Amino acid sequence: KAGVTQTPRYLIKTRGQQVTLSCSPISGHRSVSWYQQTPGQGLQFLFEYFSETQRNKGNFPGRFSGRQFSNSRSEMNVSTLELGDSALYLCASSLEGLGETQYFGPGTRLLVL
Amino acid sequence: QQQVKQSPQSLIVQKGGISIINCAYENTAFDYFPWYQQFPGKGPALLIAIRPDVSEKKEGRFTISFNKSAKQFSLHIMDSQPGDSATYFCAAGTGGFKTIFGAGTRLFVKA
Repeated sequence: KAGVTQTPRYLIKTRGQQVTLSCSPISGHRSVSWYQQTPGQGLQFLFEYFSETQRNKGNFPGRFSGRQFSNSRSEMNVSTLELGDSALYLCASSLEGLGETQYFGPGTRLLVL
Repeated sequence: QQQVKQSPQSLIVQKGGISIINCAYENTAFDYFPWYQQFPGKGPALLIAIRPDVSEKKEGRFTISFNKSAKQFSLHIMDSQPGDSATYFCAAGTGGFKTIFGAGTRLFVKA
């Protein structure tokens, strides 16, 4: 089976812009989660989608949003980018949910200037 | 109550030595404790995981020790190799709820 894929792999934006990141889960996986990874804060949970519905949410501002499509593919959007949003954004998929093994993609590295 | 505390932050071990990383949690509802390994430029990958009904799980050179009463678990890497140099994350989760990750341990194995 193909692993989790994320596009784009690298992105440079300026403050105030918005960005959309894409994630394709492993075939058959219905849960998709997003994480922000920074050197200072480690892995921070953003949200989880299951069957096109947001099922769990972390403690991030409303500028961070996501959605999941009927084929389980997911997108994450960040509006009004801030310098502090520079990070590696990881997508993970699993069969049913968060209490089981998460399979991570390679991540999208976002740099906000 | 939702934190997972991981130590040490970084670790240097000689080739052939034992690497030990410790984690502690507070929420007794957690029932799944995975360890992830992350190499530079890659996403984390599951290394080994344990459920609280066992006290130890071994897979090759990697062993998880679990102490339910102390709410602690640890990863032991026996015969550490330079190829084991990576960042290791412990995590705790429970069905349907978000997985909490530790802050990570950067392991460097000296040849």
